[in-house]
Amino acid sequence: AQSVAQPEDQVNVAEGNPLTVKCTYSVSGNPYLFWYVQYPNRGLQFLLKYITGDNLVKGSYGFEAEFNKSQTSFHLKKPSALVSDSALYFCAVRPQAARQLTFGSGTQLTVLP
Amino acid sequence: NAGVTQTPKFQVLKTGQSMTLQCAQDMNHNSMYWYRQDPGMGLRLIYYSASEGTTDKGEVPNGYNVSRLNKREFSLRLESAAPSQTSVYFCASSEGGIGSYEQYFGPGTRLTVT
Repeated sequence: AQSVAQPEDQVNVAEGNPLTVKCTYSVSGNPYLFWYVQYPNRGLQFLLKYITGDNLVKGSYGFEAEFNKSQTSFHLKKPSALVSDSALYFCAVRPQAARQLTFGSGTQLTVLP
Repeated sequence: NAGVTQTPKFQVLKTGQSMTLQCAQDMNHNSMYWYRQDPGMGLRLIYYSASEGTTDKGEVPNGYNVSRLNKREFSLRLESAAPSQTSVYFCASSEGGIGSYEQYFGPGTRLTVT
């Protein structure tokens, strides 16, 4: 069975500084990996995904994520954080042959002005 | 394009009452999903429908039933609500099931069972 770990419940960063939200996964075979963002009292919004190929994936709102197969990680990054990036971020994984998407427990990102 | 819509937005039930959560999507997606979100636990899949006419259990199906009414609509029913079902419920849809398709989420239903 697949699993996702987001080791940090909370990440605080100053506006303008780079941010990283960590994600590691466990899955049999090759994975599809996703990042979603949730703003207060809203549903989840898709940010980006890794399918295959280039290990650096670019997504919405200036976010990117780096796939590292040897470390089974898929960390979310942004070079310069904005206060409006403050939200709950979820990493998710699905084996390529499976239908079910497994989510991590989420990381609350707070960007301080 | 409304995307994925859910009704109601909020609901309070007493233990033992029943209710149906409604979900509809207008993106012509084949697959639909019901999740529950609890603090510190991420989203857990309750049921999903890979295509019209099919439904399958997810990680936490006990106490729930679903109906894929047509390609657009996927409802979730609680037959006899319990306090453990207090949660936020999200419906989602995707173009396909197997594959790299991302899921699109509705705004959620906040359910409290007293």
